[in-house]
Amino acid sequence: DAKTTQPTSMDCAEGRAANLPCNHSTISGNEYVYWYRQIHSQGPQYIIHGLKNNETNEMASLIITEDRKSSTLILPHATLRDTAVYYCIDLRPGGKLIFGQGTELSVKP
Amino acid sequence: EPEVTQTPSHQVTQMGQEVILRCVPISNHLYFYWYRQILGQKVEFLVSFYNNEISEKSEIFDDQFSVERPDGSNFTLKIRSTKLEDSAMYFCASSEGVGLADFYEQYFGPGTRLTVT
Repeated sequence: DAKTTQPTSMDCAEGRAANLPCNHSTISGNEYVYWYRQIHSQGPQYIIHGLKNNETNEMASLIITEDRKSSTLILPHATLRDTAVYYCIDLRPGGKLIFGQGTELSVKP
Repeated sequence: EPEVTQTPSHQVTQMGQEVILRCVPISNHLYFYWYRQILGQKVEFLVSFYNNEISEKSEIFDDQFSVERPDGSNFTLKIRSTKLEDSAMYFCASSEGVGLADFYEQYFGPGTRLTVT
């Protein structure tokens, strides 16, 4: 099953940064770290990915540790619409995405 | 922005009946997937499909399941004889390619909620 571990749930105040950690200690050298999210019962949605360097896009930033064994997804100014389950994904050869339980992020007013 | 579409959004069927869930992947994508999510549980991979054949399937994808790309646009999941435990959200996804060292985003559809009574 998933080789990633995440906290079960987190709260964040609206407008504050949400920092979501993930451990992926068995990731190999050429595997990307992927993050998806699932807003209540909708299809999972891609957020960001990275290999070694920190990455930023219009949705989030991704900080990857130098040893690549963990990463943190940062939503810089969380809104109520960011309430969702966030998945740090284990990608297997052939494109199979292995979802863990994810982190349920609740953004509160 | 191109999107994956799925029909129907909700399907109710009786145990033992056959159901076909339909998906229209993004037009230039070559790889297609089905996932399912039982209520309150995690998203689970069912099957991947490329070049008109199954690339990989999970233990869940037993003989009662089949997939097909009957024409150039649709991708279907058939459950031959539904069981109560098949009740779940079924998500279709597609991607341009696959690879560990290259990035290919999987785009997911909105899902079909299957309820078996």
